[in-house]
Amino acid sequence: AQTVTQSQPEMSVQEAETVTLSCTYDTSESDYYLFWYKQPPSRQMILVIRQEAYKQQNATENRFSVNFQKAAKSFSLKISDSQLGDAAMYFCAYRSARRAGNMLTFGGGTRLMVKP
Amino acid sequence: NAGVTQTPKFQVLKTGQSMTLQCAQDMNHEYMSWYRQDPGMGLRLIHYSVGAGITDQGEVPNGYNVSRSTTEDFPLRLLSAAPSQTSVYFCASSYGRGGNYNEQFFGPGTRLTVL
Repeated sequence: AQTVTQSQPEMSVQEAETVTLSCTYDTSESDYYLFWYKQPPSRQMILVIRQEAYKQQNATENRFSVNFQKAAKSFSLKISDSQLGDAAMYFCAYRSARRAGNMLTFGGGTRLMVKP
Repeated sequence: NAGVTQTPKFQVLKTGQSMTLQCAQDMNHEYMSWYRQDPGMGLRLIHYSVGAGITDQGEVPNGYNVSRSTTEDFPLRLLSAAPSQTSVYFCASSYGRGGNYNEQFFGPGTRLTVL
């Protein structure tokens, strides 16, 4: 079974600064996807960014980028130019690319606070 | 498209009561799943379905039943509610296999309290 670990229960960042959220995972599979989801107080799960394991290039989406280290099974999220609207819970998630169902395994989450 | 809808948004039950959480999607997605989120934790998979008539257990299935008689609907039944089932429940759906990445779409969640 796969596991996802987020070792930082809370992080804070000054507005306009950069912050990195950590995630490690454990799997015996070679073909999978990794995701970062944002959950604001509204509870809605919002996909921030995804990474295909077969791609060596790190994914980027505007101010959000990842550092994917497949051998180390590490998948961190970097948020640049932090904004007040970035304050939320962030979840790292794993999904097998082979198994039917597209089910996700989530980490425990990191609460990000953004200081004005 | 309404996307993934869940009803009710909030529910309070007494221990031992039963109820059904409704989930529907209008995107013709093959795959649907139910997750629960306990306070301060990530989502955990309860049950999932890869198509009408096909369901399987996830990580935390005890105390819950599901069925999938249509592509659109995937209800979650609590047989005899317990305080340990107090949680926020999310339904999600996605297209099935096809060689491409298929994004999961989440519903807005149902907050359930069992007294």
